[in-house]
Amino acid sequence: DQQVKQNSPSLSVQEGRISILNCDYTNSMFDYFLWYKKYPAEGPTFLISISSIKDKNEDGRFTVFLNKSAKHLSLHIVPSQPGDSAVYFCAASNNNAGNMLTFGGGTRLMVKP
Amino acid sequence: EPEVTQTPSHQVTQMGQEVILRCVPISNHLYFYWYRQILGQKVEFLVSFYNNEISEKSEIFDDQFSVERPDGSNFTLKIRSTKLEDSAMYFCASKRLAGRHTDTQYFGPGTRLTVL
Repeated sequence: DQQVKQNSPSLSVQEGRISILNCDYTNSMFDYFLWYKKYPAEGPTFLISISSIKDKNEDGRFTVFLNKSAKHLSLHIVPSQPGDSAVYFCAASNNNAGNMLTFGGGTRLMVKP
Repeated sequence: EPEVTQTPSHQVTQMGQEVILRCVPISNHLYFYWYRQILGQKVEFLVSFYNNEISEKSEIFDDQFSVERPDGSNFTLKIRSTKLEDSAMYFCASKRLAGRHTDTQYFGPGTRLTVL
């Protein structure tokens, strides 16, 4: 099942620079997208979301961009901080009965001091 | 800040044994979920639960699995006869509103299940 894909398993960025994490999806029925951050031995922590009626949502250092025609979304973190080092998952859902989330495989972000 | 809690943090069991994983969702949340993540793989949806019944389930959620909300606070996942391939991290999640898929799902810390 490859409905949501994160093609970069890892990303290394210098502190203070921008981190860009990418996510692609294939199911055109998805209309809500989320980014979660996960530290080892912890559950996913919600970061930011975007509805398909928007193309951008911003919350502090985090911005999510959605390109519906390309079925692509990205998470920008600027400036990146060492505490941002974690695994980032994108997830998608549609308005079905259970509202299940379909996750990508995750991207491990390492922010170097 | 309210959070989803899960117990135990780590469960080790023998193949064929029954296990019950426990979750306490956030208190005013109405929708509950179980997901799992096998080591090195994606987080996968298992089941969603609302108003004391299963709302949706995945192909993984076969007859060996069941869920229950035995009281006003706990939400449990039972695996009747565990298999080696059930070894995974199991995450419980909850969200406040029913019928609003744009409502955020909040995850617990997970239970690591190891089947020997």
